[in-house]
Amino acid sequence: EAAVTQSPRNKVTVTGGNVTLSCRQTNSHNYMYWYRQDTGHGLRLIHYSYGAGNLQIGDVPDGYKATRTTQEDFFLLLELASPSQTSLYFCASSAGTGVSNERLFFGHGTKLSVL
Amino acid sequence: AQKVTQTQTSISVMEKTTVTMDCVYETQDSSYFLFWYKQTASGEIVFLIRQDSYKKENATVGHYSLNFQKPKSSIGLIITATQIEDSAVYFCAMREGQGGRALIFGTGTTVSVSP
Repeated sequence: EAAVTQSPRNKVTVTGGNVTLSCRQTNSHNYMYWYRQDTGHGLRLIHYSYGAGNLQIGDVPDGYKATRTTQEDFFLLLELASPSQTSLYFCASSAGTGVSNERLFFGHGTKLSVL
Repeated sequence: AQKVTQTQTSISVMEKTTVTMDCVYETQDSSYFLFWYKQTASGEIVFLIRQDSYKKENATVGHYSLNFQKPKSSIGLIITATQIEDSAVYFCAMREGQGGRALIFGTGTTVSVSP
């Protein structure tokens, strides 16, 4: 089973703070994604990547930066955190689109609170 | 732009019965892929089942099956012989056919299975 590891599991910061969420997958997947989950909104796509050095903008990118340093590692950066960014963040990976076994493998999530 | 809508916020059923949940989608692409994911009480999100738009047969995996009604842009999930452990949040998702697009999710339907 594909493994996606997120860290930290919980994070509390203050408004204006600088936060980095980390995600590592060890399945040689090309695609990695960052979603946020909020009540009433489901899972919303922030950023995603096809591979190291690549970044694609998702549906709710404002206030977020992301960087894919290697095939395994994908980071989400909040440089000036705001209370509206309090959420549950999920990282996911997949082998690619259009493959017969296409599916997302999710990490366990990072709960972020911005006070 | 693509969009996925789940109007049922919650459904309660008795164990061993059948539950059906709805999902409608919007897309301009002639080729697209539809998915259902399950989020357990622990927060874990797992892939359940997939339907490719060009396939006429409804997908079935274990006690999960799909009701794909292409003219209505609808992809319902049916769970037969429900068990307590089917209590979860179920997300519908879509990816448009152009390579490299990411999954867009609905807001989810919470299913509660009672003994």
